[in-house]
Amino acid sequence: AQKITQTQPGMFVQEKEAVTLDCTYDTSDQSYGLFWYKQPSSGEMIFLIYQGSYDEQNATEGRYSLNFQKARKSANLVISASQLGDSAMYFCAMREKLYGGATNKLIFGTGTLLAVQP
Amino acid sequence: AAGVIQSPRHLIKEKRETATLKCYPIPRHDTVYWYQQGPGQDPQFLISFYEKMQSDKGSIPDRFSAQQFSDYHSELNMSSLELGDSALYFCASSPGTTNTGELFFGEGSRLTVL
Repeated sequence: AQKITQTQPGMFVQEKEAVTLDCTYDTSDQSYGLFWYKQPSSGEMIFLIYQGSYDEQNATEGRYSLNFQKARKSANLVISASQLGDSAMYFCAMREKLYGGATNKLIFGTGTLLAVQP
Repeated sequence: AAGVIQSPRHLIKEKRETATLKCYPIPRHDTVYWYQQGPGQDPQFLISFYEKMQSDKGSIPDRFSAQQFSDYHSELNMSSLELGDSALYFCASSPGTTNTGELFFGEGSRLTVL
């Protein structure tokens, strides 16, 4: 069964510094997608970055990058140059059987609450 | 660009009442997902629909039902509400035939059961 593990319930980072949020996953499927979502206190779920299991290069989106280590089954999110507005809950998520028109659900980890300090 | 629209955004009900949440997916998205997020919890998958047929079922209570209509919008019906049903309910949509897999979330409907 697929599973997402986020071992950091909460983290602090100084403004302008980089921070890494950990995520490990478990799946027996070969084709899957890994996602990071940001949820500010207002509640909406904001998509940040995506990594497909067959993608050879790590995904990057602006200040976000995903450190994908397939053999270790980890997909850590790196936020560079943290900003006060980055303070939020961050969820790692996964979808199995991604290719071929699948409509499988997204499974979330328990989240990491990030607080950016001035 | 059009996003996923959920209504109502906030809803207050009493125990044993019923509630209906609506979701309008992004145009041309044929797959809709419902999630429930309790206070301090991660979103839990409830149910999904593809082309108006149920495609997957998660931890949805028997008191809840959902459907997807011909215009692809979806409704989540909740009956005999309990205090524990108080949560943020997300709807998400995606194009069923995609290889990237991103789900696009609405802003959520916050249900409070008193």
